Amino acid sequence: QQQVKQSPQSLIVQKGGISIINCAYENTAFDYFPWYQQFPGKGPALLIAIRPDVSEKKEGRFTISFNKSAKQFSLHIMDSQPGDSATYFCAARTQGGSEKLVFGKGTKLTVNP
Amino acid sequence: ETGVTQSPTHLIKTRGQQVTLRCSSQSGHNTVSWYQQALGQGPQFIFQYYREEENGRGNFPPRFSGLQFPNYSSELNVNALELDDSALYLCASSSWTGPRRFGNGTRLTVT
Repeated sequence: QQQVKQSPQSLIVQKGGISIINCAYENTAFDYFPWYQQFPGKGPALLIAIRPDVSEKKEGRFTISFNKSAKQFSLHIMDSQPGDSATYFCAARTQGGSEKLVFGKGTKLTVNP
Repeated sequence: ETGVTQSPTHLIKTRGQQVTLRCSSQSGHNTVSWYQQALGQGPQFIFQYYREEENGRGNFPPRFSGLQFPNYSSELNVNALELDDSALYLCASSSWTGPRRFGNGTRLTVT
């Protein structure tokens, strides 16, 4: 059972364009929603995260939009650069003592120069 | 600031064998969790250790086991290896005051 559904599976954007990746969840016990960036041969690195009491969070070129009623959240990358080419994962964490993260299947982003 | 280091980086084992993977947590982090990332998939939670005790487990069989040591380093042990165990194994450490950090993983191939 996939608890976090991510789309699209792959995305090609021109340099300077906007990249948008979407995720949906079912479990209302999730209380923390991070996005991770992973380059080949590397572990995932935290990019930006949001809690469900906030509808939007922006850090530099990266913005998370969160819709609690629809149980959806998305990552927007403004002014996409070739260096942003990587695989992006959304994730969700259940409130409580465990640090268990549930990940989406990932989106491979390619930014063409 | 030291990061999370994992060893070895690559490993090839035969079906039925046992393997031990190691993780050195980031300084000051007292919680470690392990994830399995199959090719083309997102990481899947295996288990978590806090103060040397397992305090959370994902949907993995008992042949996946772990240890956390007083210095917060950790091991993942997998017995009776199966072909489907081939994956990237990621260790992540965290604390109450900082975000989770992942290591670069150990690539395990089971033949």
